[in-house]
Amino acid sequence: GAVVSQHPSRVICKSGTSVKIECRSLDFQATTMFWYRQFPKQSLMLMATSNEGSKATYEQGVEKDKFLINHASLTLSTLTVTSAHPEDSSFYICSAAREVTSNQPQHFGDGTRLSIL
Amino acid sequence: DAKTTQPPSMDCAEGRAANLPCNHSTISGNEYVYWYRQIHSQGPQYIIHGLKNNETNEMASLIITEDRKSSTLILPHATLRDTAVYYCIVRAWNTGNQFYFGTGTSLTVIP
Repeated sequence: GAVVSQHPSRVICKSGTSVKIECRSLDFQATTMFWYRQFPKQSLMLMATSNEGSKATYEQGVEKDKFLINHASLTLSTLTVTSAHPEDSSFYICSAAREVTSNQPQHFGDGTRLSIL
Repeated sequence: DAKTTQPPSMDCAEGRAANLPCNHSTISGNEYVYWYRQIHSQGPQYIIHGLKNNETNEMASLIITEDRKSSTLILPHATLRDTAVYYCIVRAWNTGNQFYFGTGTSLTVIP
């Protein structure tokens, strides 16, 4: 069964709205989670690394004030797309691993499809 | 940046073995090879990973060359549900490095 859950699975909202996406690890504690974005017919692009109890680490070119990440507990990370515009429409995916510094694989959520009108 | 090279697409007849190659000629000694697949509009699904020995699980087999510069994912009896994009990723186990995805191979299983 799924070990990483994302919610919601789909969001449609108006331009200028802020949208929050939740990522939960269901049966393990995750000190680190990762957020990806995927545009149609493209691969997954890592956006940021979410660290429990500390600031997220953003990949080059990703606006930290645009994509707010909060990792308040060992089982929950949230990504908030602030003042979303049509160009932010994409498929957002999170992942988590039981232990980051090990060979254990990451497990991915089923993604959130965000559509900004 | 992705450190792997995969063919963009492949076809496989249903019931036959699907052999998906991956080149990772610059792999380091502490990097594992991971395989994931992504079915349309879903998150990536973990398949298998390995360091240098061949690995097998209920989904697939992973064959890594002796010099570790390439590997092959084998789906022994492909079904239509195996149609997906398959990603080969290398990642160091001891540095907490993130997974960086390449372009993957789009596998189409043909009836």
